[in-house]
Amino acid sequence: GDSVTQTEGLVTLTEGLPVMLNCTYQTIYSNPFLFWYVQHLNESPRLLLKSFTDNKRTEHQGFHATLHKSSSSFHLQKSSAQLSDSALYYCALVYRANTGKLTFGDGTVLTVKP
Amino acid sequence: GGIITQTPKFLIGQEGQKLTLKCQQNFNHDTMYWYRQDSGKGLRLIYYSITENDLQKGDLSEGYDASREKKSSFSLTVTSAQKNEMAVFLCASSSGLGNRIRSRQNTLYFGAGTRLSVL
Repeated sequence: GDSVTQTEGLVTLTEGLPVMLNCTYQTIYSNPFLFWYVQHLNESPRLLLKSFTDNKRTEHQGFHATLHKSSSSFHLQKSSAQLSDSALYYCALVYRANTGKLTFGDGTVLTVKP
Repeated sequence: GGIITQTPKFLIGQEGQKLTLKCQQNFNHDTMYWYRQDSGKGLRLIYYSITENDLQKGDLSEGYDASREKKSSFSLTVTSAQKNEMAVFLCASSSGLGNRIRSRQNTLYFGAGTRLSVL
């Protein structure tokens, strides 16, 4: 079946440094939709980014990601980390738009320190 | 806007007990989901429903039942609670994952969660 791999369970950074959270996926289907969800402490997950288009950068709230089908990757990046970016980040995949079934990675906890 | 309401917020059960979690949404969304959240294990799909009276199993459906009584509500039953089990159950909804990636379709909206502890 489909799977999403987030290699880092925990990332700790100093404020102002760049952020990169890894996400790779496996699916036999050629047109996956990829998502990043963010969950702050004591809150519910909410959508941060999504993409369907190969090699096109998508941006929101200072974060960006590019879907690369050749390497099955959808890494999340930000040029300069802020304290408020500390949260749990999930990468997710749906292999076909109308199936309704999202597969999530295990999540990466990002902690930004002063 | 809309809201997803999960009840109860906290649920304490006994081993072997049958427990029911409820979810209501007023987005008028077609698709509803139940996910289980465990530390270090991500969000695992238990059941989902793409329309009223529909039910689809996720990867973690064993030990659970679900019911989509009407479009706005989706309930989950733990058929036999396991001793020392602790988890957060998240309900979510979406308007149906159509092909229009730029629209609000494809976005899941989550409730605040039900925190389960089994003694």
